[in-house]
Amino acid sequence: DAKTTQPPSMDCAEGRAANLPCNHSTISGNEYVYWYRQIHSQGPQYIIHGLKNNETNEMASLIITEDRKSSTLILPHATLRDTAVYYCIVRVGYNFNKFYFGSGTKLNVKP
Amino acid sequence: KAGVTQTPRYLIKTRGQQVTLSCSPISGHRSVSWYQQTPGQGLQFLFEYFSETQRNKGNFPGRFSGRQFSNSRSEMNVSTLELGDSALYLCASRPGQGISYEQYFGPGTRLTVT
Repeated sequence: DAKTTQPPSMDCAEGRAANLPCNHSTISGNEYVYWYRQIHSQGPQYIIHGLKNNETNEMASLIITEDRKSSTLILPHATLRDTAVYYCIVRVGYNFNKFYFGSGTKLNVKP
Repeated sequence: KAGVTQTPRYLIKTRGQQVTLSCSPISGHRSVSWYQQTPGQGLQFLFEYFSETQRNKGNFPGRFSGRQFSNSRSEMNVSTLELGDSALYLCASRPGQGISYEQYFGPGTRLTVT
């Protein structure tokens, strides 16, 4: 089962882009990459997911390398409210919901 | 549309007791998953239910069990509580089991075992 590796923490200045990396070198062809975030004491919040193409929504952009062994979540204009733990997750299986959550990256957005 | 709700939000139990946690998914969502979150282990998958059937299970002992009702509401039970069961228990729902469906998490139930 594919696992993920993320840096434990990152800092970002308010208004600047936050680029959060994730390594998933053992990912297999039918596994998606998901990103969630968790603000202190709340349930995780879905951000974005992708298979091989880059994806963008109103919250963020997801860049997946061509070999799919790593990805980057981009928050284009970070605000103080984006301070949270960000989880990169690889989905296992087809009709299963067996997400493996790693330790995540604590993003600190500073004024 | 109302989000995922979990009850109770906070619970204190004594070692050896049992506990039942409840989760009401978003209306129309048929899949419910449960997770345990602790500072040391992070988020860990417990099990998933779809159409009243357990579809997948994580690596937890048999003391952890669950069920899903016909209205998709789900309960999780932990018997013979241990101190290490103290955690935030999260429930997540999604419309179906298709691979592209995203999960929506509830606020969690904070369980403290003394």
